[in-house]
Amino acid sequence: AQSVTQPDIHITVSEGASLELRCNYSYGATPYLFWYVQSPGQGLQLLLKYFSGDTLVQGIKGFEAEFKRSQSSFNLRKPSVHWSDAAEYFCAVGPYFSGGYNKLIFGAGTRLAVHP
Amino acid sequence: DGGITQSPKYLFRKEGQNVTLSCEQNLNHDAMYWYRQDPGQGLRLIYYSQIVNDFQKGDIAEGYSVSREKKESFPLTVTSAQKNPTAFYLCASSNVRARGLDSNQPQHFGDGTRLSIL
Repeated sequence: AQSVTQPDIHITVSEGASLELRCNYSYGATPYLFWYVQSPGQGLQLLLKYFSGDTLVQGIKGFEAEFKRSQSSFNLRKPSVHWSDAAEYFCAVGPYFSGGYNKLIFGAGTRLAVHP
Repeated sequence: DGGITQSPKYLFRKEGQNVTLSCEQNLNHDAMYWYRQDPGQGLRLIYYSQIVNDFQKGDIAEGYSVSREKKESFPLTVTSAQKNPTAFYLCASSNVRARGLDSNQPQHFGDGTRLSIL
């Protein structure tokens, strides 16, 4: 079955510390992977995406993610967290070739809290 | 600036009442989507539409209805048959490309509508 797992429901880090949010997926076809961020009461904003090429992708707000096919993982990282990064983060996977409708499967999300 | 506008931001429904959530986009995207978000469950797809006058059920369509009469608009009606409508509803849109490289385009999201029962 196709699924996305974000093992950590809540994570708390100190401001300035490094961050890694985990994402594992189960997907039969070549995956197209995304990370989105959601601030309270807001919609989702795309942080980065991966579909081919270099397995380390750079996104907005200083985030990066690494695709590891052997581990079916697409973990999100940031070297130094800012208080404004406190939000909920969603990993999603979709088909590489969609031909139109691109159904995404979302993980349950990881809520990040940042201590000053 | 192009984007997706959802209205209202907050909506209250009485028992037995149908309510309609608005979603408008000016991104010239062909595909539009409605998701329901509940705490700890991520996003679940209600309905999607690839083109005007066509739409398909998603994973949790029961108790909901949609229409797609215009490219830029995709309203969602929460009917009285939806017994647990309290949730955060998100509308999204994406570009549609021919099958091939990078054909799967990211979805862009509105700011959501929070629906509660009175």
